[in-house]
Amino acid sequence: EAGVAQSPRYKIIEKRQSVAFWCNPISGHATLYWYQQILGQGPKLLIQFQNNGVVDDSQLPKDRFSAERLKGVDSTLKIQPAKLEDSAVYLCASSFGRVDEKLFFGSGTQLSVL
Amino acid sequence: AQSVAQPEDQVNVAEGNPLTVKCTYSVSGNPYLFWYVQYPNRGLQFLLKYITGDNLVKGSYGFEAEFNKSQTSFHLKKPSALVSDSALYFCAVLSYGNNRLAFGKGNQVVVIP
Repeated sequence: EAGVAQSPRYKIIEKRQSVAFWCNPISGHATLYWYQQILGQGPKLLIQFQNNGVVDDSQLPKDRFSAERLKGVDSTLKIQPAKLEDSAVYLCASSFGRVDEKLFFGSGTQLSVL
Repeated sequence: AQSVAQPEDQVNVAEGNPLTVKCTYSVSGNPYLFWYVQYPNRGLQFLLKYITGDNLVKGSYGFEAEFNKSQTSFHLKKPSALVSDSALYFCAVLSYGNNRLAFGKGNQVVVIP
C-alpha cells in the first residue's frame, strides 16, 4: 500500500520568505496531522484535520502558519513569513480517524531558515 | 496537559544483549500509550500501543512494553538487540481529554556489533 507522501524533501529559505509543504495521506484516511519536529525534540502537533474540518489548531502559530485540506484529501502547510526558529522537520501523518489508532507518518520536509 | 519523559538521551547496548528504553508519563485519566521508532531520513513508524488489558504489550520487530500504573511508566524492551535496531525511539501518550498525542523527546539507541 502507498504510504503518506510529502514534498519537497528539503527546503532552504531565508528569513521572512514564505514556504509551502504538501502532503498526500493514505487513501481512505479521514484524519490528517501536521507535526513540527525541532532537532533534539519530539514531534509537536501543529494542526489536526478530520476530513476537511479542523479538529485542533491550538498549537499553530496562526500569525505566520496556515494550513488547508480543501477536498478532505491532500493538505498544504504554509509559513509566511518564516523565522529562524521555524527550522525543523515538518511531518505529515494520517489515520482512519479513531484517536487511539496508530498514525502513519510521511518522511517529512526538512526546512532550514537562514 | 499530558506529558512524557524519556530520561536518557542515548542508550548503548551490545548486540545480543537486552535492550530497555525508559518512559514515564503524566496524564489525567486513563492513559493511551504508544511507542514509535524513527530510522534515519524516515518518518516515524508505529511499534506498539497500550490501551487497556494486559500490562505487557507485544509489538513489531520483537519489541514489547510493560505498562506500570503505580510507577506511571511504559518501558520498551527487547530481549536480544540487533544492530538494525539502532534508531530514535519515541514514547507518546494520548489523553482523551484533548485527543492530542504528546511525544517525548526521544531516545537514540545505538546497538554495538
